[in-house]
Amino acid sequence: DQQVKQNSPSLSVQEGRISILNCDYTNSMFDYFLWYKKYPAEGPTFLISISSIKDKNEDGRFTVFLNKSAKHLSLHIVPSQPGDSAVYFCAARWTGSNYKLTFGKGTLLTVNP
Amino acid sequence: DTAVSQTPKYLVTQMGNDKSIKCEQNLGHDTMYWYKQDSKKFLKIMFSYNNKELIINETVPNRFSPKSPDKAHLNLHINSLELGDSAVYFCASSPPEEGNSPLHFGNGTRLTVT
Repeated sequence: DQQVKQNSPSLSVQEGRISILNCDYTNSMFDYFLWYKKYPAEGPTFLISISSIKDKNEDGRFTVFLNKSAKHLSLHIVPSQPGDSAVYFCAARWTGSNYKLTFGKGTLLTVNP
Repeated sequence: DTAVSQTPKYLVTQMGNDKSIKCEQNLGHDTMYWYKQDSKKFLKIMFSYNNKELIINETVPNRFSPKSPDKAHLNLHINSLELGDSAVYFCASSPPEEGNSPLHFGNGTRLTVT
C-alpha cells in the first residue's frame, strides 16, 4: 500500500540546469508535505515543506509545487549543483496522525559537472 | 555537535541473538521515533514516543521493544534476530507541533543479521 510514490528511481542533470523531482500520493487526508535529502551513510535531512493550503513554497534554489487535484507535488532545484547529488525523499502526513510521516521510495539525483 | 546520535553505526550479528541500538537527541524535542529502511529503500515508521509515552506502534513483531528512559533517549531492543531484520534503522526526533516542524534524523544503524 504505497501512499506516496516516487516513480523515478533516478535522475541525471547537468550542472546549472533545472532538476525536477516528482511525487504522487493517494491519501487525500495528507495535509503537509516535505522533501528530505539523503547522502550515503547519513540520515535524511529536511529540505523544504509545503502545507496543503498552499500551491508553492520557495526557499533559495529550491521550490516545491503542490497540485492537490492531481495529488502531485514536485521539487524544482535551480540551478542544480554537483553538491545536490543525493537521494531525495518525498514525505507526507496529515493532522492527527501523531506526526507519522509516510515516505516515498526516493529518487537518486546525480548532477554532472 | 550531533543533534540526534545513534550507536552503533554498524551492527553485524547472528540469527537468534539479542541486540540493542541506542539513540539520544540533544535538541530538547519531546517526540522521538524509530524508522526502518529495508532493502527496497522504503523508510517506514516503527515506533514513536512523546515524553516517554508510546504514541505510535506500527505493525512490528513483538521481538522489537522500544524503551524511553527519558525524553532525550529512545533505545531499540531486538530479540531473537532474524535474517529479515537486516536493514538500516533510523532514529529521529521532533519538537511539539508548531508550524509542522520537520523530523531530525540520526545517521542510521546498519544492522546485518547472518
